[in-house]
Amino acid sequence: AQSVTQLGSHVSVSEGALVLLRCNYSSSVPPYLFWYVQYPNQGLQLLLKYTSAATLVKGINGFEAEFKKSETSFHLTKPSAHMSDAAEYFCAVSSNNDMRFGAGTRLTVKP
Amino acid sequence: DGGITQSPKYLFRKEGQNVTLSCEQNLNHDAMYWYRQDPGQGLRLIYYSQIVNDFQKGDIAEGYSVSREKKESFPLTVTSAQKNPTAFYLCAAGRGPLGTDTQYFGPGTRLTVL
Repeated sequence: AQSVTQLGSHVSVSEGALVLLRCNYSSSVPPYLFWYVQYPNQGLQLLLKYTSAATLVKGINGFEAEFKKSETSFHLTKPSAHMSDAAEYFCAVSSNNDMRFGAGTRLTVKP
Repeated sequence: DGGITQSPKYLFRKEGQNVTLSCEQNLNHDAMYWYRQDPGQGLRLIYYSQIVNDFQKGDIAEGYSVSREKKESFPLTVTSAQKNPTAFYLCAAGRGPLGTDTQYFGPGTRLTVL
């Protein structure tokens, strides 16, 4: 069975600092990988997805993630945090007929 | 304006009552999904439907029921058999089978059992 582990339920950074949200997965077949963002009391919005093309994936709002097969990781980064980035972020792994979400990481951005 | 609509945004229910959550999409996607979100647990799949008049149980289907009579609509009923129904419920739609493509989410319904 597939699974996703997001290291750190809460991450706090200063405005302008690097954002790094960690995601490790397990899957017996080549997976699709996703990062979604959720603002308070809203649904999830896709940030980016990996579908076996380029290993470095660029998404919306300046975020990007790198697929590292050897490390089974798909960490999300942004060079410079903005106050509007404060939200909860979910990593997800999928293959045919199965999709698993991580428990989420809440990002706080300090002024 | 394409998307997923869920209603109501907030719902209160007395113990022992059934309640139905609405989900409508105008994206023309074949697949639709219902998830439950609890703090610190991410999203868990309740039911999904790949095509009209067909649906499958997800990981936590007990105490829930669904129907898919129209492509655009996928209502979820939370029955009195669901022991702990207070949660945030999210509906989603996608083009392909589960796990093959992006899912597009609605704004959610927060259900509170009094």
